[in-house]
Amino acid sequence: AQTVTQSQPEMSVQEAETVTLSCTYDTSESNYYLFWYKQPPSRQMILVIRQEAYKQQNATENRFSVNFQKAAKSFSLKISDSQLGDTAMYFCAFRAFGNEKLTFGTGTRLTIIP
Amino acid sequence: NAGVTQTPKFQVLKTGQSMTLQCAQDMNHEYMSWYRQDPGMGLRLIHYSVGAGITDQGEVPNGYNVSRSTTEDFPLRLLSAAPSQTSVYFCASSNHRQGSNTEAFFGQGTRLTVV
Repeated sequence: AQTVTQSQPEMSVQEAETVTLSCTYDTSESNYYLFWYKQPPSRQMILVIRQEAYKQQNATENRFSVNFQKAAKSFSLKISDSQLGDTAMYFCAFRAFGNEKLTFGTGTRLTIIP
Repeated sequence: NAGVTQTPKFQVLKTGQSMTLQCAQDMNHEYMSWYRQDPGMGLRLIHYSVGAGITDQGEVPNGYNVSRSTTEDFPLRLLSAAPSQTSVYFCASSNHRQGSNTEAFFGQGTRLTVV
């Protein structure tokens, strides 16, 4: 079974600063996918970024990037030039290759301070 | 393009009552699932389905039933609601066949309170 750990229940940062959210996972799978989801106060689950484990290059999506360390089983999310709209709960999630089940971490509540 | 539609958005039940949370998707996705979200616990898988007529249990299935008679619909039934089922429920769908790195699409959630 897979486990996903997010050790930062809450974080806050000033607008325009950079913030990094941490995520570690445990699995015996060799092929898998990792995701970061954003859940704003509207409750909607929004995919922020995804990473294939077989790719060494870290994924980036505009202001969002990941630091994927496969050997360390670490998958952190960096948000650059943070904006007020980034205020949300962020979930790290794992999915094994060939399996649609998602395993989620407990989430990090991020607050961007004006 | 509606995506994944969940109804209702909010519901209050009395202990022992039954109800069905509805979930429909219009993307012809084969895989559908139900999660519950509780504070400090993230989202946990309740039941899932890989296609019409096929369902299976997830991590926390007790107290819930599902069925999948069509590709589009995947209702979640609470037979006898308990206060421990107070939670936010999410339905999700993804295309099981289209490739491995498929995105899961989520409904807007149902906040259920059992008193």
